[in-house]
Amino acid sequence: DIQLTQSPSFLSASLGDRVTIICRASQGISSYLAWYQQKSGKAPKLLIYGASTLQSGVPSRFSGSGSGTEFTLTISSLQPEDFATYYCQQLNSFPPTFGGGTKVEIK
Amino acid sequence: QLQLQESGPGLGKPSETLSLTCSVSGDSLSSSPYHWGWIRQSPGKGLEWIGSIYYSGNTYYNPSLMSRVTISIDTSKNQFSLKLTSVTAADTAIYYCTRLPSGYSYSDYWGQGTLVTVSS
Repeated sequence: DIQLTQSPSFLSASLGDRVTIICRASQGISSYLAWYQQKSGKAPKLLIYGASTLQSGVPSRFSGSGSGTEFTLTISSLQPEDFATYYCQQLNSFPPTFGGGTKVEIK
Repeated sequence: QLQLQESGPGLGKPSETLSLTCSVSGDSLSSSPYHWGWIRQSPGKGLEWIGSIYYSGNTYYNPSLMSRVTISIDTSKNQFSLKLTSVTAADTAIYYCTRLPSGYSYSDYWGQGTLVTVSS
């Protein structure tokens, strides 16, 4: 199975900060990567698929980039509702696998 | 608006079979172009993709669970189900049902999740 490593595992940031989360794949996955946001006690919510395509209804402050083995999720200006855990998922190789998550907390 | 709702026992004993159902509203499974799947989340293993099914009955299963998993679909009830046999404490997790645009793609809709605890 393809391993996804997210960094950092934990991130402390302030409102308005620009935040970048990295997801590295153990082998190339083209652009078959999705990002999810999960708030405490809730199901994950799809933010981005195809590495950079914003899911309908997701604010434009979220963006994704990358291909091959390195990907980034960027939040351009952190808002109160963005404090959550973020996961990447690869869809290139079966079975789909997830990263370990990055928890974004208030500084 | 699409809604998915998991149901089933929240507690099971080791060696038993775990059975969960996902009721779908807002889409008809008998004609939907989407796949329907299960993902679980545990503190120890994080998020784990279990499998998916199409209305035709075509399935994809995670090889790590394939020997114990069956996903089925009942279009007359607009439901799909998960059976996991020979459960152990390692199967304790929150189980989510989801919608997928294709067999093993990302999940664009999720149920709220149901906690299943395996304990003697």
